[in-house]
Amino acid sequence: GQNIDQPTEMTATEGAIVQINCTYQTSGFNGLFWYQQHAGEAPTFLSYNVLDGLEEKGRFSSFLSRSKGYSYLLLKELQMKDSASYLCAVRSEGAGSYQLTFGKGTKLSVIP
Amino acid sequence: GAGVSQSPSNKVTEKGKDVELRCDPISGHTALYWYRQSLGQGLEFLIYFQGNSAPDKSGLPSDRFSAERTGGSVSTLTIQRTQQEDSAVYLCASSSGQGLGNTIYFGEGSWLTVV
Repeated sequence: GQNIDQPTEMTATEGAIVQINCTYQTSGFNGLFWYQQHAGEAPTFLSYNVLDGLEEKGRFSSFLSRSKGYSYLLLKELQMKDSASYLCAVRSEGAGSYQLTFGKGTKLSVIP
Repeated sequence: GAGVSQSPSNKVTEKGKDVELRCDPISGHTALYWYRQSLGQGLEFLIYFQGNSAPDKSGLPSDRFSAERTGGSVSTLTIQRTQQEDSAVYLCASSSGQGLGNTIYFGEGSWLTVV
């Protein structure tokens, strides 16, 4: 089965940088996704990593180390609107099916 | 359509009644997922459809839950004899296939309350 761990809550200051970590144990690894979810809304796609290294997209970057089963999402120049839950999700392949398993999410609060 | 469409947006039902939730994926997307999210909890995988392959039903919590996908497009999730613990938001997502990097897009969800 799959096991995904991420911190439950984090608080950071507007304008600062925050790193949200995600560790996973899975078989048939086939990529790692980060999603943002504002309260009462559907998750929206942020980033995708399948190879080791850093993927940068504007203020958001995501890193993956497959050997360590580790990823992080880096948010720079934090804005109040970044207050949301951040979901780490791992796609795994098994018996011809691609399952996407989510962690419980990290609730980020950005304070002035 | 432009995005994943789900209906109804909100549903309040009495315990013991059956409910049907509908998902219309993005046009051309062959993969379709159903997830459940209880208040303050993570996303729980329910079922996955890919093209004409047999669906992966490994996440369905009980035999009261079933889903079908007609014509490889619209999907219906059915919950029979609803219980209060079924109250949650049911999220549908679709992607263009199995290839690496296929982004999975979510609908707005169907909020189910069983009273």
